[in-house]
Amino acid sequence: SQQGEEDPQALSIQEGENATMNCSYKTSINNLQWYRQNSGRGLVHLILIRSNEREKHSGRLRVTLDTSKKSSSLLITASRAADTASYFCVYAGNQFYFGTGTSLTVIP
Amino acid sequence: NAGVTQTPKFQVLKTGQSMTLQCAQDMNHNSMYWYRQDPGMGLRLIYYSASEGTTDKGEVPNGYNVSRLNKREFSLRLESAAPSQTSVYFCASREVRSPLHFGNGTRLTVT
Repeated sequence: SQQGEEDPQALSIQEGENATMNCSYKTSINNLQWYRQNSGRGLVHLILIRSNEREKHSGRLRVTLDTSKKSSSLLITASRAADTASYFCVYAGNQFYFGTGTSLTVIP
Repeated sequence: NAGVTQTPKFQVLKTGQSMTLQCAQDMNHNSMYWYRQDPGMGLRLIYYSASEGTTDKGEVPNGYNVSRLNKREFSLRLESAAPSQTSVYFCASREVRSPLHFGNGTRLTVT
């Protein structure tokens, strides 16, 4: 299987704290994307980083990519209760491969 | 603006029954995908269609068939459902070099 792995599997933090989740993948990639999934819903795209980029920002999101280690991280700063969701890394080679997801709970 | 619409939202089947999951997108995307999501496994690709008239197997195609009816619609068929096919099924679409857009899923239980 080419499925990636994320850690931690679950993360619980207080509102206002930062949340960091990590993704390791197995193939060469064109880009890596992060998606959010609220309970019972489909996935929503958050941010894309290309294989020649090392860091990217979008609002409260910061993504890093280390292709030599085949890893990426997603940082959510100043978390809010509405950030409670599962987060998936999705890396794109010939197909899209999904990580196993991190379940984030932000406590008000 | 509907995006990707999946029907039904929920379905319960008995082993051996057949059914078709429907997916339609209104974004004029060329590529469409079917995934299944199981606990602790992330999403796994069942079939995809890079463009109207073409379909290809993904990671877990066994027990499924697909039809790309036209540019908007991509259906997934279970000919003889098995308990191992109990899962949440997601349809997605995208255009070249753009992110995936997902439907809200179909929760299927096979007893």
